[in-house]
Amino acid sequence: GIQVEQSPPDLILQEGANSTLRCNFSDSVNNLQWFHQNPWGQLINLFYIPSGTKQNGRLSATTVATERYSLLYISSSQTTDSGVYFCAVEAFNSGYALNFGKGTSLLVTP
Amino acid sequence: ETGVTQSPTHLIKTRGQQVTLRCSSQSGHNTVSWYQQALGQGPQFIFQYYREEENGRGNFPPRFSGLQFPNYSSELNVNALELDDSALYLCASSWGTGSINGYTFGSGTRLTVV
Repeated sequence: GIQVEQSPPDLILQEGANSTLRCNFSDSVNNLQWFHQNPWGQLINLFYIPSGTKQNGRLSATTVATERYSLLYISSSQTTDSGVYFCAVEAFNSGYALNFGKGTSLLVTP
Repeated sequence: ETGVTQSPTHLIKTRGQQVTLRCSSQSGHNTVSWYQQALGQGPQFIFQYYREEENGRGNFPPRFSGLQFPNYSSELNVNALELDDSALYLCASSWGTGSINGYTFGSGTRLTVV
């Protein structure tokens, strides 16, 4: 099946810093999403981005489908950005399953 | 509109027992997907239900089974529990199959098997 690799696995930032999270995937995809998992376990969708660039406030994402990677940018980080960020892809041949990476655990300190 | 509600939030079971987890989908959604998230890992797809029929299944044994009801709520049943079944079980609802319509996830049920 499709492989989804995220880097870095862990990240510690001071409040106000910027960061870039990366997601590589091994095959063509119908869809790619970025999620933030809050401390209560809920997955919150940040971006639906099979290709191109999107921005939402301090967050933006870029997917280059031809090169099979996506980037999530967090600018001016805040302590509330802490949590685990997941990249998930829906592969052409995997039905409707979302295939998740192992996530990037982000801690933003005051 | 209400979101996705899962119950119970936490559960402790003994190896060999059976468990039923419940999920109420978001209003207007007709599809429910279940995921298992082991500690430190990303969620893994168990199966999806669309209009009360199983619509896709991941690499999980038959002792993982499910149901979807006419109101589109869903149950996940696990028989003969094993220690490795300890995980956070997440339910996601959507209108229609496929992630293009957007998934709404619940906060999950944390199952511990002892």
